[in-house]
Amino acid sequence: DVVMTQSPLSLPVTLGQPASISCRSSQSLVYSSGNTFLNWFQQRPGQSPRRLIYLVSKRDPGVPDRFSGSGSGTNFTLKISRVEADDVGIYYCMQGTHWPPLTFGGGTKVEIK
Amino acid sequence: DVHLVESGGGLVQPGGSLRLSCAASGFSFRIFWMSWVRQAPGKGLEWVANINEDGSEKHYVDSVKGRFTISRDNARNSLDLQMNGLRAEDTAVYYCAKHKYFDFWGQGILVTVSS
Repeated sequence: DVVMTQSPLSLPVTLGQPASISCRSSQSLVYSSGNTFLNWFQQRPGQSPRRLIYLVSKRDPGVPDRFSGSGSGTNFTLKISRVEADDVGIYYCMQGTHWPPLTFGGGTKVEIK
Repeated sequence: DVHLVESGGGLVQPGGSLRLSCAASGFSFRIFWMSWVRQAPGKGLEWVANINEDGSEKHYVDSVKGRFTISRDNARNSLDLQMNGLRAEDTAVYYCAKHKYFDFWGQGILVTVSS
């Protein structure tokens, strides 16, 4: 199974400042087609998860452009350019290249300082 | 708008059974893979099972193989999860999610396995 490792576990951020979350996979997520099936999800307190990013860097409809995804192979990053209060929650990466099983990272909790 | 509404959760004793359902609307249900994902209290996300468009292909996480069965009814736009032999470690909020890669999620339904 592909293990997804996120860091940090907790990320205190000042409003208006940038934030960056790292996600590493135990093997390359490049599929034979050339696509890399790496997704990012946001889970606000008390809510269902919401997908933000798919295929490493493509934003889902309605996702603010302050969220961006990047990376390749086994190293990926989610960046928030300017954190807003609405961004508080837990962020998960997930791989869909080598499955079953589809696997998630352990989560990174973003909170306001 | 896409809507996924789970039902059927509740309290069940260890070894018992429960059937979850997910009512889908707002999209062409029959042309998408569908998935179940769970979240134990205070824990992260865990993929449970998925099913292809016509129900001919199904996949499960190892911990539920032989105990859970995923199914769908494209005529009723409905996704089910039959859970047998439930264990305490199956206690979680269960989410219905659209697509292999979960582009939309339901609100979740709590399953508690306890005596």
